[in-house]
Amino acid sequence: QVQLVESGGGVVQPGGSLRLSCAASGFTFSSFGMHWVRQAPGKGLEWVAFIGYDGNNEYYADSVKGRLTISRDNSKNTMFLQMNSLRAEDTAVYYCAADYGDYHVFDYWGQGTLVTVSS
Amino acid sequence: DIVLTQSPGTLTLSPGERAALSCRASQDISSTFLAWYQQKPGQAPRLLLYGASIRATGIPERFSGSESGTDFTLTISRVEPEDSAVYYCQQYYSILWTFGQGTKVEIK
Repeated sequence: QVQLVESGGGVVQPGGSLRLSCAASGFTFSSFGMHWVRQAPGKGLEWVAFIGYDGNNEYYADSVKGRLTISRDNSKNTMFLQMNSLRAEDTAVYYCAADYGDYHVFDYWGQGTLVTVSS
Repeated sequence: DIVLTQSPGTLTLSPGERAALSCRASQDISSTFLAWYQQKPGQAPRLLLYGASIRATGIPERFSGSESGTDFTLTISRVEPEDSAVYYCQQYYSILWTFGQGTKVEIK
């Protein structure tokens, strides 16, 4: 069955860096666009970034542009989020999600990984 | 940017009652790119409907969607205890994905 497993979350100081991973299985990873979506504690959902099925297109929310970088390795069925210059407001559960593309929705979701930015 | 406003904030119902959740867009959007998600406590969101009214795989028939101009509605025909969750609408436009703030459905 479809599985998305995030890893790499943890506690980091403001200004620090972290790299999240999302391992995919159970579907043709190279045919899906992929997203990162985050949810601050007790808050709603916020789209963060998207990467096209072949890695050739990347789009970001204004709140993370220039600090977060999305990438993927289709040979390893894995997506990444490099997070630099982290701020307290980046504290959230980060979900990876798969998007087949026709309807631009989040078809499949991982269980999330918590990133806490605190001194 | 397009803003999605959901109402009510919280809906409290008894089992068997009908639930109507609203999602209003700040400007015209294509219903093709409007979706609904369900999120239970401690879980990831789950896709319920896409294209405003098409049920995702495995979603029960009691969940349905409709639109009227910039207003979109998720209806649960007869709520069950397991429908207790937060429901989010989401839209895609101009390479931006945005969510509404969510409606919490509580079952008495």
